Amino acid sequence: DTAVSQTPKYLVTQMGNDKSIKCEQNLGHDTMYWYKQDSKKFLKIMFSYNNKELIINETVPNRFSPKSPDKAHLNLHINSLELGDSAVYFCASSQDVRGGGDTQYFGPGTRLTVL
Amino acid sequence: SQKIEQNSEALNIQEGKTATLTCNYTNYSPAYLQWYRQDPGRGPVFLLLIRENEKEKRKERLKVTFDTTLKQSLFHITASQPADSATYLCALDMSDGQNFVFGPGTRLSVLP
Repeated sequence: DTAVSQTPKYLVTQMGNDKSIKCEQNLGHDTMYWYKQDSKKFLKIMFSYNNKELIINETVPNRFSPKSPDKAHLNLHINSLELGDSAVYFCASSQDVRGGGDTQYFGPGTRLTVL
Repeated sequence: SQKIEQNSEALNIQEGKTATLTCNYTNYSPAYLQWYRQDPGRGPVFLLLIRENEKEKRKERLKVTFDTTLKQSLFHITASQPADSATYLCALDMSDGQNFVFGPGTRLSVLP
């Protein structure tokens, strides 16, 4: 059974389009994250949700909107896609981010290419 | 300004040798430091966690040290094997639950 799954694995789209990436975890974790890994391989946190509540929102354009229908799902919706949005997006989960020391479980990633 | 660095972008070593990877940081105060492995086309996988009051942690052929005075962690793989070839990421965990920062990674190649 896949612990953290993402769909789609690849996403190729035109500039200006709106797209969504879905993430699901079956680990029973309370916290989920979205990370962006750019062409230089830097992995940067974008959002963190704990039990459906936003707890971290790094400086990302408001074209990016996370949505958490329940604590096992955290989807990422991107409006008006730009060339610079091309990257690999990773979803992750951990038991409970508060207090620290939690390990993160990552999904396989979604490679987004904006043409 | 805050910074996290890993000693080299790429490291090549011979099979059987010990690989040593370095993670340095400035203007952060992590309560924990974690190391992850990332293979091409895959998400990072957790390897080891060390607390700020721990000097060393071991797991099989892996060893991590954490020096909060030097603001540095060393990650060692002993008796390295070609299967250890991957990118290794260090991550700072600030314990307040608000900040988790990854380093840029070191791509390790173990040559047979």
